[in-house]
Amino acid sequence: ETVLTQSPPTLSVSPGERATLSCRASQSVNNNLAWFQQKLGQAPRLLFYGGSGRATGTPARFSGSRSGSEFTLTIDNLQPEDFAVYYCQQYNDWPPGTFGQGTRVDVK
Amino acid sequence: QLVQSGGGSVRSGGSLTISCSASGFTFSVHAMHWVRQTPRKGLEHVSSISSDGVNIFYADSVRGRFTLSRDNARNILFLHMGSLGLEDSGVYFCVKDSGPFKVHPFDLWGQGTLVSVSS
Repeated sequence: ETVLTQSPPTLSVSPGERATLSCRASQSVNNNLAWFQQKLGQAPRLLFYGGSGRATGTPARFSGSRSGSEFTLTIDNLQPEDFAVYYCQQYNDWPPGTFGQGTRVDVK
Repeated sequence: QLVQSGGGSVRSGGSLTISCSASGFTFSVHAMHWVRQTPRKGLEHVSSISSDGVNIFYADSVRGRFTLSRDNARNILFLHMGSLGLEDSGVYFCVKDSGPFKVHPFDLWGQGTLVSVSS
């Protein structure tokens, strides 16, 4: 089973600044990794798939990238609505489609 | 969209069925999943079914106790949960796959259903 390790667990950022979130896979997932955003009391929402493929409705200030087994989600010019928990998920060798433990982005 | 129903509170050892009604897309060509969220384990992929219902997956934690099925004529997904334990408590999400089975992202989530198991 592929383990995804997200870091940091919590990221404190001021509005307007950049947030950089990391997700490292214990084995190759090729580009079959997705990023989700979850706000309190809501279901997760797909942001990116295939490492850097933007899902419908994902703002341009969000970007996804990959370097080897490490995937990065970057949020530029953080807006108030971006403060949430972000999860990565691999769908390369499911079942199961494992999730990372999440990174909480909160207000500094 | 995916609209979930069912869920609620049940005693340990009891059973519960939750369902997910799909609309706005061709249900029969997409795999479907259940993902649960708990404080202890976070997001956990519990069960999946291929678009044609032939291939079904269960996580080790629920295999033998949960049964997943789908009705492509009525666009509904069902998860029957039996022999429920305290560790099964959590919010259960119905999730649409962007493809028929495997190696496609999960692209649409239902609103979530709370399942609470008590002793």
